[in-house]
Amino acid sequence: DAGVTQSPTHLIKTRGQQVTLRCSPKSGHDTVSWYQQALGQGPQFIFQYYEEEERQRGNFPDRFSGHQFPNYSSELNVNALLLGDSALYLCASSLVETQYFGPGTRLLVL
Amino acid sequence: DQQVKQNSPSLSVQEGRISILNCDYTNSMFDYFLWYKKYPAEGPTFLISISSIKDKNEDGRFTVFLNKSAKHLSLHIVPSQPGDSAVYFCAAKAMGSYVGGSEKLVFGKGTKLTVNP
Repeated sequence: DAGVTQSPTHLIKTRGQQVTLRCSPKSGHDTVSWYQQALGQGPQFIFQYYEEEERQRGNFPDRFSGHQFPNYSSELNVNALLLGDSALYLCASSLVETQYFGPGTRLLVL
Repeated sequence: DQQVKQNSPSLSVQEGRISILNCDYTNSMFDYFLWYKKYPAEGPTFLISISSIKDKNEDGRFTVFLNKSAKHLSLHIVPSQPGDSAVYFCAAKAMGSYVGGSEKLVFGKGTKLTVNP
């Protein structure tokens, strides 16, 4: 049983560019959540998708947007990248209480 | 305002001894708590969880204790092994009414555990 997968593993972008990160949930999971983890911090909730709709959102600007597909996979898009967007981006999938995380995508903005 | 606090950034213990990692929270609406372990260059791995209707949950070498009146939980690892060396995150979620899935998780900043051989 494959766990949560994310792509790409690493990414380097320059300020002002746009980026798309991808996530495939654990088999049977219908809910996908995205988190940002800055260095030395715990993961911070960005948003959550269920039945192809965003149903919860954390304190992140509209530059952060997402999508969920009918097969429950998800994308995170970030527009107009800032240096401060450099972080580990984690995807988590769940069916009921427990969220299971993928390995993350390390984004560096120069 | 940090709703989940892990006040010890690091902890060092000897192999075979007990490791105790602590976590405090401020939000009375939190009803489910989880511990995750994270190795460098990997995502957090789920370890153990506890519902607010319990005060203890055990899984092998890992036990989580919840003191609701003190808004405090702890993770005990007995015996500690060198492979347990990692960053441990405490996370909490509030009561919600969503069908399926889960409420968002609120994380502490983590405690780096080092188990010395």
